Amino acid sequence: SQQGEEDPQALSIQEGENATMNCSYKTSINNLQWYRQNSGRGLVHLILIRSNEREKHSGRLRVTLDTSKKSSSLLITASRAADTASYFCATDAGTSYDKVIFGPGTSLSVIP
Amino acid sequence: EAGVAQSPRYKIIEKRQSVAFWCNPISGHATLYWYQQILGQGPKLLIQFQNNGVVDDSQLPKDRFSAERLKGVDSTLKIQPAKLEDSAVYLCASSYPGSGYTFGSGTRLTVV
Repeated sequence: SQQGEEDPQALSIQEGENATMNCSYKTSINNLQWYRQNSGRGLVHLILIRSNEREKHSGRLRVTLDTSKKSSSLLITASRAADTASYFCATDAGTSYDKVIFGPGTSLSVIP
Repeated sequence: EAGVAQSPRYKIIEKRQSVAFWCNPISGHATLYWYQQILGQGPKLLIQFQNNGVVDDSQLPKDRFSAERLKGVDSTLKIQPAKLEDSAVYLCASSYPGSGYTFGSGTRLTVV
């Protein structure tokens, strides 16, 4: 079974709009990460948020974490066509040895 | 710093043949991971090394897959014999404790 699941599975927006993706997970975590994957390429690390943090920013990205609801969200503001990619949340499942499990991802299309 | 190096970039083999993938992680990263990513899905952890020891190989199909990390640096993943369902992208990643992963570009395997 999936530790983390993203929602929605697919999202299509106009350039300039904001995009919000959600991630829900099942067990306690030490941290949660978001990654981006452009078609046919490797994954790129975006943000790591620790379990004692509630919000984190990086450029146009904003990540929130609600451990009571076991959920996280990734907000991309002022989207660009280059943001078109798949976005994955990854959780460590609370293990002591840094094991990370990925969700199935959200496919984002930003239309110019 | 140099990224995670993987080779080959693409491989096409017939079923029942064997194949090997190579990964060289970022210098100083003690933890190395091999993931399998089937088209349209999130990456699935196959095996995790800490230095040259295996930390987690619970999802590695050990009847056909093997991996080693001699001297705690580079690693090879082997499939023998390959099946059609092994067609996927094989991703290698490395990390420093508490940080995000750095992924290589992956090896796209097609089994025909």
